[in-house]
Amino acid sequence: GAVVSQHPSWVICKSGTSVKIECRSLDFQATTMFWYRQFPKQSLMLMATSNEGSKATYEQGVEKDKFLINHASLTLSTLTVTSAHPEDSSFYICSADASGRAHEQYFGPGTRLTVT
Amino acid sequence: QKEVEQNSGPLSVPEGAIASLNCTYSDRGSQSFFWYRQYSGKSPELIMFIYSNGDKEDGRFTAQLNKASQYVSLLIRDSQPSDSATYLCAVNNAGNMLTFGGGTRLMVKP
Repeated sequence: GAVVSQHPSWVICKSGTSVKIECRSLDFQATTMFWYRQFPKQSLMLMATSNEGSKATYEQGVEKDKFLINHASLTLSTLTVTSAHPEDSSFYICSADASGRAHEQYFGPGTRLTVT
Repeated sequence: QKEVEQNSGPLSVPEGAIASLNCTYSDRGSQSFFWYRQYSGKSPELIMFIYSNGDKEDGRFTAQLNKASQYVSLLIRDSQPSDSATYLCAVNNAGNMLTFGGGTRLMVKP
């Protein structure tokens, strides 16, 4: 089956530092990857859509200069949270699109970010 | 704004009962509908998807879609304590993007 990995699974960083999260499709190529954020007891909110070889498309209200997305290959997308603050503490989840059809969108295990 | 609404719960059912989870959506142009299960601290896992009006069954799970009423539901038969989780309804409006509802927390009591 299609497997998506994320690294790290959890990270604690100090306020003002930057954190990079990797999302990899392990056994398929993903033209599109999605980045979501989930605060406690809330649903997944789409942050951005990442397309291989082009700029990411950010959802309204998401700062593209703060959340840098790079999709350099068909199997890897990265999200960098720059100048992190405590309010950025959240569960970040990526998904990878295997076929262009929504039911073949596979989720990574998520990354728990805590900013102190 | 495209919205997907769910009752946050918790919905509490006894073991062996049928759990009924409901979801409404605002965009009449929505094409496909998904139910995900999410355990605490984990990412969502797809349970079922449905495109056409009517029922779709997979094991203990049945998804029901009524596009005229903009309503989709998930029935879980013979509920087990291991079914206790948050169930997320998601809607595909365009391309391959998903819009998620807030989720319903299900508790199955032994």
